[in-house]
Amino acid sequence: GAGVSQSPSNKVTEKGKDVELRCDPISGHTALYWYRQSLGQGLEFLIYFQGNSAPDKSGLPSDRFSAERTGGSVSTLTIQRTQQEDSAVYLCASSPWVVSGANVLTFGAGSRLTVL
Amino acid sequence: KQEVTQIPAALSVPEGENLVLNCSFTDSAIYNLQWFRQDPGKGLTSLLLIQSSQREQTSGRLNASLDKSSGRSTLYIAASQPGDSATYLCAVNTGTASKLTFGTGTRLQVTL
Repeated sequence: GAGVSQSPSNKVTEKGKDVELRCDPISGHTALYWYRQSLGQGLEFLIYFQGNSAPDKSGLPSDRFSAERTGGSVSTLTIQRTQQEDSAVYLCASSPWVVSGANVLTFGAGSRLTVL
Repeated sequence: KQEVTQIPAALSVPEGENLVLNCSFTDSAIYNLQWFRQDPGKGLTSLLLIQSSQREQTSGRLNASLDKSSGRSTLYIAASQPGDSATYLCAVNTGTASKLTFGTGTRLQVTL
């Protein structure tokens, strides 16, 4: 696609429910990143994918969070047994892979999650 | 652990003024630094990317500088316009995976 597409754009759920957030990266981008932006805080890294593998999951805040990527394309971030502190905007970004580290990330519009 | 700080947190200026946004980081071992713009309800737009070996980058009315040894970067916006109103974020890349550490941003409002 022309840009990074995320769905849903807004999600309201009850505490304890599971949620899935979807990211459709730019076609051909091999690197995919998930970030979280909580109210009053900066963006924090969650996980990144190179192809279908996730070399760095260090930012996932707990084992309730998981992510997968299939076919080197779409990624799903799953939050199980949601808590109120999970309320945030979840941003996805993709990039063509550049070994030098000079990746320029293109971000999606984000999925706003509200846990009641 | 890398920490990124942005000053000021908010800024309001009249149209036409030149302005400077500041970003500081604690670990100078970076690959690059990026400045982003975030509009309400939208994603991030990359404005400028400065490699660690570079001192500055320019794009139109925007100029970003990098002093890696002192852990500082500035974003200079010339002749500000109301359309420049947004939150500006700086982010440093300290790994080959381009995992970014973000500052908390400067919210800019340019008034008529």
